[in-house]
Amino acid sequence: DQQVKQNSPSLSVQEGRISILNCDYTNSMFDYFLWYKKYPAEGPTFLISISSIKDKNEDGRFTVFLNKSAKHLSLHIVPSQPGDSAVYFCAAAGPGNQFYFGTGTSLTVIP
Amino acid sequence: EAQVTQNPRYLITVTGKKLTVTCSQNMNHEYMSWYRQDPGLGLRQIYYSMNVEVTDKGDVPEGYKVSRKEKRNFPLILESPSPNQTSLYFCASSSRSWGNEQFFGPGTRLTVL
Repeated sequence: DQQVKQNSPSLSVQEGRISILNCDYTNSMFDYFLWYKKYPAEGPTFLISISSIKDKNEDGRFTVFLNKSAKHLSLHIVPSQPGDSAVYFCAAAGPGNQFYFGTGTSLTVIP
Repeated sequence: EAQVTQNPRYLITVTGKKLTVTCSQNMNHEYMSWYRQDPGLGLRQIYYSMNVEVTDKGDVPEGYKVSRKEKRNFPLILESPSPNQTSLYFCASSSRSWGNEQFFGPGTRLTVL
């Protein structure tokens, strides 16, 4: 039973435009959320996180939004660059020290 | 250089032949974890460890064992591998579980024939 879902397996965006990646979760006990970026043949690398006491966190071109009532988070990348082409995973954690990852969204930024 | 290392990076084996995938981190992290990545299923947590001699089951622990005798090492043991354990495995560590991002190793691609 997938507790964290990324319903879009892939996304294509023109360079310079905004990329919006979405993630939904089912467990209301989750209180910490992260986004990871993964290139082929490498391990995931941390991108940005947000705790449930916030609804927005920003780091340079990356912003994560959290809507607790809808159990939804999104990652905005502005402006998108070709080097952002990768698979993006969202992850959630709760009181139990376990992490739950989504299935990933493959982002392609077209030059 | 701060890193998580895994060995081997690639392994082809046969059903039933015990194997160990090693994981080591040089960041003095308390929390370590193993994941498997499968198409359409994303990353799923197998086992995690909050500190030395403390391990807990993740979402998919069946068929796997782990040990945490030293802080830096967290080996994954498959006592009797089966073809459904063919997957890409990642080890990760963090300074604590909540509020800190995990650092991932480069992955181990395992094929069980």
